Amino acid sequence: AQSVTQLDSQVPVFEEAPVELRCNYSSSVSVYLFWYVQYPNQGLQLLLKYLSGSTLVKGINGFEAEFNKSQTSFHLRKPSVHISDTAEYFCAFNDYKLSFGAGTTVTVRA
Amino acid sequence: DAGVIQSPRHEVTEMGQEVTLRCKPISGHDYLFWYRQTMMRGLELLIYFNNNVPIDDSGMPEDRFSAKMPNASFSTLKIQPSEPRDSAVYFCASSPGLGSGTGFYEQYFGPGTRLTVT
Repeated sequence: AQSVTQLDSQVPVFEEAPVELRCNYSSSVSVYLFWYVQYPNQGLQLLLKYLSGSTLVKGINGFEAEFNKSQTSFHLRKPSVHISDTAEYFCAFNDYKLSFGAGTTVTVRA
Repeated sequence: DAGVIQSPRHEVTEMGQEVTLRCKPISGHDYLFWYRQTMMRGLELLIYFNNNVPIDDSGMPEDRFSAKMPNASFSTLKIQPSEPRDSAVYFCASSPGLGSGTGFYEQYFGPGTRLTVT
């Protein structure tokens, strides 16, 4: 079965520090991977996506992710976070229907 | 475009009552999805439609849940009778599907309906 696993449930980080959110996937076929962000009391918003091509994917709000086929990973990074990045982040695998990871709650502190 | 529109944003009802959630997808999107989000189970796909036809409803919890898409611009998710364990945030999402030129398998989510069943 195809699935994604988010390795961290909670990530506290100080403002202006870097952050990395880890996501591993399992699939025997071509993969399409996504990161979504959910701000408090809001819907999900697409941060970035990997469909094919360059393994380094840049998204909105300064986020980027790297697709690593050998390690079956798709980790999300941001070099310097802001208070406004406090949210829940979901890694997702898509073969027409999204299969979400359990989510990682990022709390940015001043 | 206004994005995916859901109504109501909040719904509080008593156990046993019928609840209807509504969704208007983005114009031109061929796929529509209903999700449920709870603390215990996270995000779950309930059902999805392609060109108004239900394709996979394996995520629908039980017969109390039903979903329809009478036309390309409207879908409903109905719970009858509702139970306290149905309390959750319900999201609708739409996608242009394959080869749209705007994204591949990309889904756009509505703001959700927070349902509380007392």
